[in-house]
Amino acid sequence: SQQGEEDPQALSIQEGENATMNCSYKTSINNLQWYRQNSGRGLVHLILIRSNEREKHSGRLRVTLDTSKKSSSLLITASRAADTASYFCATASYNQGGKLIFGQGTELSVKP
Amino acid sequence: EAEVAQSPRYKITEKSQAVAFWCDPISGHATLYWYRQILGQGPELLVQFQDESVVDDSQLPKDRFSAERLKGVDSTLKIQPAELGDSAMYLCASSSSGSLSSYEQYFGPGTRLTVT
Repeated sequence: SQQGEEDPQALSIQEGENATMNCSYKTSINNLQWYRQNSGRGLVHLILIRSNEREKHSGRLRVTLDTSKKSSSLLITASRAADTASYFCATASYNQGGKLIFGQGTELSVKP
Repeated sequence: EAEVAQSPRYKITEKSQAVAFWCDPISGHATLYWYRQILGQGPELLVQFQDESVVDDSQLPKDRFSAERLKGVDSTLKIQPAELGDSAMYLCASSSSGSLSSYEQYFGPGTRLTVT
């Protein structure tokens, strides 16, 4: 079962533009994590935001969390062709037994 | 940089055959996860180990799937017999702690299984 829904399912932008991906979830969480997956490869952890945090930055990445709306967004600024990948949000909560529940993902294409 | 190792990277098998996947987590990581990822979807947890003990196997189809981590280090996931619907990417991940998934998980490159 998948908890998160990501929006959009696919996104195509030009290099240098910003990319925003959204994630909505259904139950209360302890933390939310974002992962990147290049085609046919494993996932790479990008950032973790805890339920008591509202915003977090890491390099060109900015993640926000709104627990009242049960939603999160991932912003990639000044995108590069190398950012082309699928991006997944994953939630962890006590009522899920602590395991990560992944969303369906957003497929990002950055054109040079 | 330490990585999670998986083998094989690709496996083609006929339905009703047995297949096994191997995973070696990052040294010192007590928690090991096996996920299944169907094309176009996010990973879904099959089984979670804390050291050699199974913590969660609620989504593991136990009639055909089995997993073990005998010495609390590397792990094997087996499917017997394989079915067409088992075609997917099988991902292994590890983390230094299993406490409420509060730590990032490190993923291996995965095994792409095709059942014909």
